[in-house]
Amino acid sequence: AAGVIQSPRHLIKEKRETATLKCYPIPRHDTVYWYQQGPGQDPQFLISFYEKMQSDKGSIPDRFSAQQFSDYHSELNMSSLELGDSALYFCASRIEGGGGAGDTQYFGPGTRLTVL
Amino acid sequence: AQSVTQLGSHVSVSEGALVLLRCNYSSSVPPYLFWYVQYPNQGLQLLLKYTTGATLVKGINGFEAEFKKSETSFHLTKPSAHMSDAAEYFCAVSAGGTSYGKLTFGQGTILTVHP
Repeated sequence: AAGVIQSPRHLIKEKRETATLKCYPIPRHDTVYWYQQGPGQDPQFLISFYEKMQSDKGSIPDRFSAQQFSDYHSELNMSSLELGDSALYFCASRIEGGGGAGDTQYFGPGTRLTVL
Repeated sequence: AQSVTQLGSHVSVSEGALVLLRCNYSSSVPPYLFWYVQYPNQGLQLLLKYTTGATLVKGINGFEAEFKKSETSFHLTKPSAHMSDAAEYFCAVSAGGTSYGKLTFGQGTILTVHP
């Protein structure tokens, strides 16, 4: 079965640089979520999109922005990178299946961002 | 607002022993509860979830969890641990309303299985 695809899998950047993370949801999934998992931490919700519109926003820095495109893939853009941005970034997708908030989110393998 | 507390950041069991990972939640609305497993350098895989209906939920790999509203708990169990169960386990809660579908995770429990 198709899974969530994230690219790149690993990314190394210098401080103050920019980074773009991409997420390709499972086909027909209409909702995308982004989470950040710092070293030894639990995943923290950043932002979500439903049908290409932002549906919810968490603790996402103003330096970060995201969008969902017409083909439902999503990109997380990160500018003025800081050392503290080093983390594993997960994308998850979900299809609105009538279960509401109980519908399952399927996670991608993550992008490991290292800021030097 | 919703939150999850996982009691015990590390749990160690012998192969063949009972696995019990504890999770307590707080939610102002009826919660949807999830257990995810994360193997090193991998994404999160759903083990099981509770939405409505039967409070005892069975998942993959022999895991199950029971939703106890009176105790605000959703503990994960497996009767007999296997070496391949060694991983980090996250309990998560989701609620409707303005936080539609976003997951709030607990701090995670690292399960070690020794021979």
